[in-house]
Amino acid sequence: KNEVEQSPQNLTAQEGEFITINCSYSVGISALHWLQQHPGGGIVSLFMLSSGKKKHGRLIATINIQEKHSSLHITASHPRDSAVYICAVGHGNKLVFGAGTILRVKS
Amino acid sequence: EPEVTQTPSHQVTQMGQEVILRCVPISNHLYFYWYRQILGQKVEFLVSFYNNEISEKSEIFDDQFSVERPDGSNFTLKIRSTKLEDSAMYFCASSVSGIIWEQYFGPGTRLTVT
Repeated sequence: KNEVEQSPQNLTAQEGEFITINCSYSVGISALHWLQQHPGGGIVSLFMLSSGKKKHGRLIATINIQEKHSSLHITASHPRDSAVYICAVGHGNKLVFGAGTILRVKS
Repeated sequence: EPEVTQTPSHQVTQMGQEVILRCVPISNHLYFYWYRQILGQKVEFLVSFYNNEISEKSEIFDDQFSVERPDGSNFTLKIRSTKLEDSAMYFCASSVSGIIWEQYFGPGTRLTVT
């Protein structure tokens, strides 16, 4: 069983739609990271969470430590949001990665 | 804005050869990491490095792999005798102070072993 599970694996949305990507984990964590991987391969950090909720522009990330679950929301989605979104949890001195969610936003 | 840099962007090598992948982390960061991503698969942790020592390594990081911070700015990953299955994108990352801080990733080095 994977330690970090993401859903859905693939997501296609129309421009303007509200998007939710989910992440569940089974190990004890010190922090949870949401990352964005562009089509060219580069990885950018979006959020680091240890509790509660964070917002940056149209992106919102939440975490429920008791339920071992986190969500990434994108409001008013845009084609430039098309990317792979990766959940990774801090466990010891390493990150354990989910498989990623491939998001495509159509105009 | 400061960024993590990696060289080369693409390295092609023959099986059995040694390769060194280079990274320059952000200057005030104290923790350094190497990750790899085989084409079509998820990102995998290789090793974390702090205070000139490995702080954690994965099962992938066997005796063929080593890391070094030779001069206070570069952070290198050496693969002694490359195998076909080492072909992957290798990412370096750094953070101010460990896993509970934002990680800054380099653009990656694509390693192709033939």
